Amino acid sequence: KNQVEQSPQSLIILEGKNCTLQCNYTVSPFSNLRWYKQDTGRGPVSLTIMTFSENTKSNGRYTATLDADTKQSSLHITASQLSDSASYICVVMNTGNQFYFGTGTSLTVIP
Amino acid sequence: EADIYQTPRYLVIGTGKKITLECSQTMGHDKMYWYQQDPGMELHLIHYSYGVNSTEKGDLSSESTVSRIRTEHFPLTLESARPSHTSQYLCASSPFEGVNQPQHFGDGTRLSIL
Repeated sequence: KNQVEQSPQSLIILEGKNCTLQCNYTVSPFSNLRWYKQDTGRGPVSLTIMTFSENTKSNGRYTATLDADTKQSSLHITASQLSDSASYICVVMNTGNQFYFGTGTSLTVIP
Repeated sequence: EADIYQTPRYLVIGTGKKITLECSQTMGHDKMYWYQQDPGMELHLIHYSYGVNSTEKGDLSSESTVSRIRTEHFPLTLESARPSHTSQYLCASSPFEGVNQPQHFGDGTRLSIL
């Protein structure tokens, strides 16, 4: 069964600290993996998209990694800011253009 | 800045009413999607379209219908709203070419059926 599982479900960190969010998937055949940020009351916004051959991609303070062999991805946030408080959603696309969404990690950054 | 717009943002309405949720994008994208999102749950695909006069049902059983008469417009209609339709509805679009293109999402319509 094609699934995307994210952990932790929620996370609280102090402003300025780093954190790492995890995404494990069983989607096959794999095409790409995406990370989105969703602020409360807004739609998801794309952070990174990685294909099979890419094992790391950065977007400012966000760095995503992909291990296609173990079917794991992580999103690392450096020097967190209050504006990083949001839900982070991992999405895997298969070669049939179907998207499989995780349930998200809710991140709260406190001063 | 959002180039994909959804209206209304919030809607509270009684059971049995006909509802149309609007979605428009200004990016010329051929692909458009409707998702349902409940708190703490993953997004579920309701309908999608790969171009004008092309619509398909997604993997979530739904009593809604869609139309795609113009590239930029992809409205979702509920003929007779029920309390089970209470949810957040997200519209998204992406270019037809290139599988590694991101989906652009609107800010959603939060629908409450009394």
